[in-house]
Parts: sequence; C-alpha cells; structure tokens
Amino acid sequence: GAGVSQSPSNKVTEKGKDVELRCDPISGHTALYWYRQSLGQGLEFLIYFQGNSAPDKSGLPSDRFSAERTGGSVSTLTIQRTQQEDSAVYLCASSPGLALYEQYFGPGTRLTVT
Amino acid sequence: QQQVKQSPQSLIVQKGGISIINCAYENTAFDYFPWYQQFPGKGPALLIAIRPDVSEKKEGRFTISFNKSAKQFSLHIMDSQPGDSATYFCAASMRGYQKVTFGTGTKLQVIP
Repeated sequence: GAGVSQSPSNKVTEKGKDVELRCDPISGHTALYWYRQSLGQGLEFLIYFQGNSAPDKSGLPSDRFSAERTGGSVSTLTIQRTQQEDSAVYLCASSPGLALYEQYFGPGTRLTVT
Repeated sequence: QQQVKQSPQSLIVQKGGISIINCAYENTAFDYFPWYQQFPGKGPALLIAIRPDVSEKKEGRFTISFNKSAKQFSLHIMDSQPGDSATYFCAASMRGYQKVTFGTGTKLQVIP
C-alpha cells in the first residue's frame, strides 16, 4: 500500500510569509508525528497526534507554529511569519498506535525561507 | 532524563569492516529501542529494534547489542558495504508515553 506522503516536496518562501505543509499518513494509522531536521542535524520533535488530538505540543518552537489533524487522517503544519531559522526539512511520520510501534516516515518537505 | 546520547557523530569504515555505533540512555522506563537508517533526501526507515528482555538481536548483517545494567545499546554492521553509507539514528520509547526520543545521528561512510 501507499506510504506516508508529504506535500509540497520543496517550498521556497519569503521571510514573513505563512506556509502550510501537508502530511497524508498511512491509512488506519492513528498516531502521527511531525519532526524538524536542520541540515546535517538530528530529528527535533515538534508535535504528536493521537487521532485528531495533540496531547503533546511541547516541541513547537514558538507560537508561530501550529498543527491540526482532521478526520484522523491528513495533518497540516502551519508556520506563520516565517523566519530564516525556520529553513529545514519537515518530516512527518505515522504509526499504528503507541510509541512502541514502528514509525513510518514520509520523504519530507524542504522549506527554504529567503 | 529523556535524552538518548549517540556516538560517534561520524564514522568512516572500509568496505568489509565492522561499523559500530553506540547509544546511552538514562530513563530506565524506556522499553523499546529502534534504530533508523536515513539516506540523503529520504525520510528515516526502521532498520532493526530490540526490547530490553533480550541482550542481542541479529538481522542479516545488522546486530543490536543491549546492556541493560549499563543503560547502553549499540548497532553493529558486519561486512560493511558502500550501500550502507547513510545516517543512523538510535531511539527509545516507553509504554504509555507517545513520544519517541531520537539520538543525534551518526553519519556513516563506507569506503571501497
């Protein structure tokens, strides 16, 4: 079956603009995660969803970042008033349930803020 | 206490050699330890995982060694191949806590 998909694959935006990044998880996966990966760096946890609710928003870097998930499926990560330090690859992952399950990652969205 | 410390940051191994990447954790409540492999331009993919009730797990050329008393675990890649060149992340999670904690990654280069 289809894996996790993310769109767009690349996004170049001007500083100060808002951007929306989309994640389509594997069908039936109840858990969904967003991570940020700066060039050559590790995975920075941003937010986690179980169903449509986000019990843990502690990783969001600032109030310019928000995320939602609808229908227990598609998720959107929104960054308002983008800054150059927001430039990174944003990865989405889904899993069948609890953290003890394998996470399936999408290919990521490369965001460049100019 | 939620950290997972990974070393080395980068590693160069000759083809046919053994690659060893180490991770250490503090939280004894962790009970699932996966390793992920990431190729450039791709998302990470699960390589192999272990639970703390076993000391070793082997899948092909990849082996996880787990030392519960030392709170350490390591990935061994036997007969390393140029196609193994990638970034490897260790991780840890625990029942009832949804977030997975990742190590900082090791960039492995296998030279012919």
